[in-house]
Amino acid sequence: DAGVTQSPTHLIKTRGQHVTLRCSPISGHKSVSWYQQVLGQGPQFIFQYYEKEERGRGNFPDRFSARQFPNYSSELNVNALLLGDSALYLCASSGGRWNSNQPQHFGDGTRLSIL
Amino acid sequence: QKEVEQNSGPLSVPEGAIASLNCTYSDRVSQSFFWYRQYSGKSPELIMSIYSNGDKEDGRFTAQLNKASQYVSLLIRDSQPSDSATYLCAVNLRGGYSTLTFGKGTMLLVSP
Repeated sequence: DAGVTQSPTHLIKTRGQHVTLRCSPISGHKSVSWYQQVLGQGPQFIFQYYEKEERGRGNFPDRFSARQFPNYSSELNVNALLLGDSALYLCASSGGRWNSNQPQHFGDGTRLSIL
Repeated sequence: QKEVEQNSGPLSVPEGAIASLNCTYSDRVSQSFFWYRQYSGKSPELIMSIYSNGDKEDGRFTAQLNKASQYVSLLIRDSQPSDSATYLCAVNLRGGYSTLTFGKGTMLLVSP
């Protein structure tokens, strides 16, 4: 079975631009979460979606937004990019409901570089 | 106090030794605890989950949980050079939510 898939793998943008990252969860998983990982730090939670509804939001500015589609895939959007947005963006999916304690499984990530 | 704390390392052990990785967390109601392994330039890979006090073994890995002390650890027996990676402790803080809070990770170096 396919794991969590993310696209694109790498992306280079300039300050002020907009970016859309995409994620397809493991088949059967309805919960999708997004994390940002900067070099030398652990992943930091951005959003969780379950059944197309936002179920959690981390401490990120409104420039960050996301949505989930009927097939449970998800997009993360970031507007007005800043140099500090350079990071590895990780998508994770898990089985069970949005508040379950099931493990989260990560995709390979999208490495975003802002010039 | 940071919510999930780990020593950043590096922790250096010789091949065949036991590596011990530690993690403390701040919220007493936390219910779910996970260890992820992350190779340089790669994404985190789940290696262990633990939900109850005590030990949980899976092959060369043993996770230990002590909720009273708010402490979770990972032991790696017979360490191999291929175990060299950063190990991330992740906690489902404030039980009832599935979002994870991660520590900064401990880098493990296993020398041949």
